Amino acid sequence: GAVVSQHPSWVICKSGTSVKIECRSLDFQATTMFWYRQFPKQSLMLMATSNEGSKATYEQGVEKDKFLINHASLTLSTLTVTSAHPEDSSFYICSARHGGQGYEQYFGPGTRLTVT
Amino acid sequence: EDQVTQSPEALRLQEGESSSLNCSYTVSGLRGLFWYRQDPGKGPEFLFTLYSAGEEKEKERLKATLTKKESFLHITAPKPEDSATYLCAVHGGYGQNFVFGPGTRLSVLP
Repeated sequence: GAVVSQHPSWVICKSGTSVKIECRSLDFQATTMFWYRQFPKQSLMLMATSNEGSKATYEQGVEKDKFLINHASLTLSTLTVTSAHPEDSSFYICSARHGGQGYEQYFGPGTRLTVT
Repeated sequence: EDQVTQSPEALRLQEGESSSLNCSYTVSGLRGLFWYRQDPGKGPEFLFTLYSAGEEKEKERLKATLTKKESFLHITAPKPEDSATYLCAVHGGYGQNFVFGPGTRLSVLP
C-alpha cells in the first residue's frame, strides 16, 4: 500500500517552454501533497505544499508564477514549470500524505528534468 | 527553529559489519521522526516512524530507536544491497512539513 507514481520519469525540454509533471497516489487518498527539489548529493528541498482544493503554499524563495501547482483531486497533483531555463534542471520529487492516518509522507520515484 | 543533523556524512562497511547511523534533532513538540532510504535517482522509500522516546521499530536488518534528542538506525550484518542514502526527518508541532537531515551515504562492500 501507499504507492505514489510520477509521470514522466524524465523529460528534456527546450529553454522557454513549459513542462508538466504529474503526481498520483495510486491506492490511497492524499489530502496533502508536497513537491520537493533535489540537487546532486544534497537532501530534499521543499518547494510547496498543496491541499486538495486549495491554493498551494510555497516555501520562501520559490517563485509561484514559475512553479504552478494544482491539486485538483485527492489522488492527483501537478507541477508545471513555466518558461523553463537551464537552471531549472533538477530532480523533482512529490510526496503524499494519507488523509487522517499519521504524518508519514510517501514519495514518488521522481522526475529528472533537463532544460537545454 | 526545527533542525536535524545526521552523522556520519558517509559510512563504508564490510559486508556483515554492523554499525549505527545517528540523527540528532531539535524540534518544538515532536509529532514524529521518520527514517527513509533513498537509492540514486529514485524517490525516498519509507522505513520507520517513531513517535516517542524509548520507542523501537525493526525491519529485517534495520532497527530504529528514539530518545528525546536523537535517533539511531542500527544496521545488523549489512549486505551490499543495503547501500543507499538514509534520510531522517522530523515533523514538529507547527505546520505540516518535514524537516529533513542531510542524510548518511552508506556503502556496504562485499
